[in-house]
Amino acid sequence: EPEVTQTPSHQVTQMGQEVILRCVPISNHLYFYWYRQILGQKVEFLVSFYNNEISEKSEIFDDQFSVERPDGSNFTLKIRSTKLEDSAMYFCASTLTGGTEAFFGQGTRLTVV
Amino acid sequence: GENVEQHPSTLSVQEGDSAVIKCTYSDSASNYFPWYKQELGKGPQLIIDIRSNVGEKKDQRIAVTLNKTAKHFSLHITETQPEDSAVYFCAASKSNYQLIWGAGTKLIIKP
Repeated sequence: EPEVTQTPSHQVTQMGQEVILRCVPISNHLYFYWYRQILGQKVEFLVSFYNNEISEKSEIFDDQFSVERPDGSNFTLKIRSTKLEDSAMYFCASTLTGGTEAFFGQGTRLTVV
Repeated sequence: GENVEQHPSTLSVQEGDSAVIKCTYSDSASNYFPWYKQELGKGPQLIIDIRSNVGEKKDQRIAVTLNKTAKHFSLHITETQPEDSAVYFCAASKSNYQLIWGAGTKLIIKP
C-alpha cells in the first residue's frame, strides 16, 4: 500500500537554529500539506502546496516557515529560526486531488530546546 | 473561521458494545467531513468520510451521519473490538485544501 514517509522521526534542535523536515508524498499525488500538533492540542493546518506553489496557508505559517518541492519526490518544511513554541509533532500529507482522501505520514516530533 | 468541536474527549466502552463520537462545526460552507484514527506512534489514518450531499455512509462496522441543518456529524462504531482502541479525530473542510480538526476522542475498549 502506498504511504507517505517522513524523516526524521524525531528532531531535537536548539532555539534559533534552522530545521528542515522532510516528506516523500505518495508518488502520483498532486497536493501536499503540512499540519502540526502541539502536545495536548488540536491538529492545526499550516500550508497546502500544489503545482509548485502555496495554495493556502494559515496564520501560523509566517515568514519563519517555507516549503519546497526540490525534486520530483521530496516535499520539505523549513523553519528558519526555531522557537520553543515550535515544538510539536509535524505531519505531512498528500492527496491525489483537492478535497479527496488525505494520506498522512507518521510525523516528525520536533523538540526545540 | 471554521471551528470544530468534538465530544467526548475520552470514551470507554465494553468490547462488543457500540461507540458514538460527535462533532459540530460552525461554518455552513463546509462540505467534506472525514474521520481519522490515530494509533500510538503513527500518523492519522482515514477511516471514513462523508460529503455534504449525503446524510449517512456506512463501511462494515463504521458509519458516519451528517446533519447539515444542525451542523453536526457523528461516528458510529458497532461491535467494538480491542483493535478499535485509538484516538479518533473528526475534521471539516470547505476549501478542498485545509482540514479543520476536532480535539480528538480517546476510545478505550474494555475486554
